[in-house]
Amino acid sequence: EAGVTQFPSHSVIEKGQTVTLRCDPISGHDNLYWYRRVMGKEIKFLLHFVKESKQDESGMPNNRFLAERTGGTYSTLKVQPAELEDSGVYFCASSQGTAGNEKLFFGSGTQLSVL
Amino acid sequence: AQSVSQHNHHVILSEAASLELGCNYSYGGTVNLFWYVQYPGQHLQLLLKYFSGDPLVKGIKGFEAEFIKSKFSFNLRKPSVQWSDTAEYFCAVNSMNTGFQKLVFGTGTRLLVSP
Repeated sequence: EAGVTQFPSHSVIEKGQTVTLRCDPISGHDNLYWYRRVMGKEIKFLLHFVKESKQDESGMPNNRFLAERTGGTYSTLKVQPAELEDSGVYFCASSQGTAGNEKLFFGSGTQLSVL
Repeated sequence: AQSVSQHNHHVILSEAASLELGCNYSYGGTVNLFWYVQYPGQHLQLLLKYFSGDPLVKGIKGFEAEFIKSKFSFNLRKPSVQWSDTAEYFCAVNSMNTGFQKLVFGTGTRLLVSP
């Protein structure tokens, strides 16, 4: 069974540019999450999709971040325009249920460096 | 603010030594507790979880954790570590307060096991 895949694995961009991260969840997983880890700090929740609907986007830092999940399959996270403080590792995760105690399956992350 | 604290940021052990990684959280009420691990070059994966029942939880690879409600703690233990346990370990919590679909992570503990 294929796991959660993220693309690209690394991205280096200049301040002011736009970057789009992609996540393909495990097939059949309705729940898709984005998390971010800024260097040396905790992994922080960004948002949660159930199918194509945003269930909770309380962790999105500001309106420069836009997440979509058209058709309820893969998701994209766009940062426009990128700022230095956006650098970090962006993780995507997916799960089947919504009980809160189920296992999350994580992707390997996208390392974003904004110069 | 609700938070998860991991007291040890870096731990260095020799093979066969015993391991205990501390985790404390700041929520009251019903919580689900998790330990995730990220081996070098790999994605985050679930080690073990607690959501109800026996507070002593056993996970993969010989790890266990004990939920002590009165201390708001969920420490991870392993009696005898191996070189292959070298990884970063993350404690995480969700609760009714955070929303059960939102994990709150600690800052992680990097474990280095020397052969």
